Amino acid sequence: DGGITQSPKYLFRKEGQNVTLSCEQNLNHDAMYWYRQDPGQGLRLIYYSQIVNDFQKGDIAEGYSVSREKKESFPLTVTSAQKNPTAFYLCASSIGKGPDSNQPQHFGDGTRLSIL
Amino acid sequence: AQSVTQLDSHVSVSEGTPVLLRCNYSSSYSPSLFWYVQHPNKGLQLLLKYTSAATLVKGINGFEAEFKKSETSFHLTKPSAHMSDAAEYFCVVMLYSSASKIIFGSGTRLSIRP
Repeated sequence: DGGITQSPKYLFRKEGQNVTLSCEQNLNHDAMYWYRQDPGQGLRLIYYSQIVNDFQKGDIAEGYSVSREKKESFPLTVTSAQKNPTAFYLCASSIGKGPDSNQPQHFGDGTRLSIL
Repeated sequence: AQSVTQLDSHVSVSEGTPVLLRCNYSSSYSPSLFWYVQHPNKGLQLLLKYTSAATLVKGINGFEAEFKKSETSFHLTKPSAHMSDAAEYFCVVMLYSSASKIIFGSGTRLSIRP
């Protein structure tokens, strides 16, 4: 079945470490997104990519970095510059070129990141 | 300013009774509107979408929503709640302007009483 796979499901980080969250999709979607979800809040957009080798900052990009070397993959790195990284991170993809289309997003099951 | 407001952070209903989850939006442009459901520690699943076709939209699992432009609302309803409907529900607006934007509501947690 087609879908989005996020790994790992749970991730722990020490202070000062960078960590990378994986997101892979086999839906042949052009656009991919990373969101952060905090308790009692809606999702906030970190980065999105409309096409390979291109990505755009979302509302809360500071302290995060991404790459899009392959259509199927959109890894997110949480850097040590992100002072409050504990959150649930969701990856999504959609047909069409990102927010300019009106296509719904398909979501992975998320990665929960915690600080040790 | 463009925004989306889910009017209730928590709704509790008895099994078999109707469900109403409220969503209002603010936009200078014609939006596309979506409802998603999220079960614990899972991603979001699309329930239904409105993209300027019929104002009454039917979704999965018996849910439907009505777009009311005059009230800038897109409330989600279901005639009869089931225990499996207990989850978090998000109203999402896609806005089209010089800077297209996706806005998520803060969510409504739906609880079902036996």
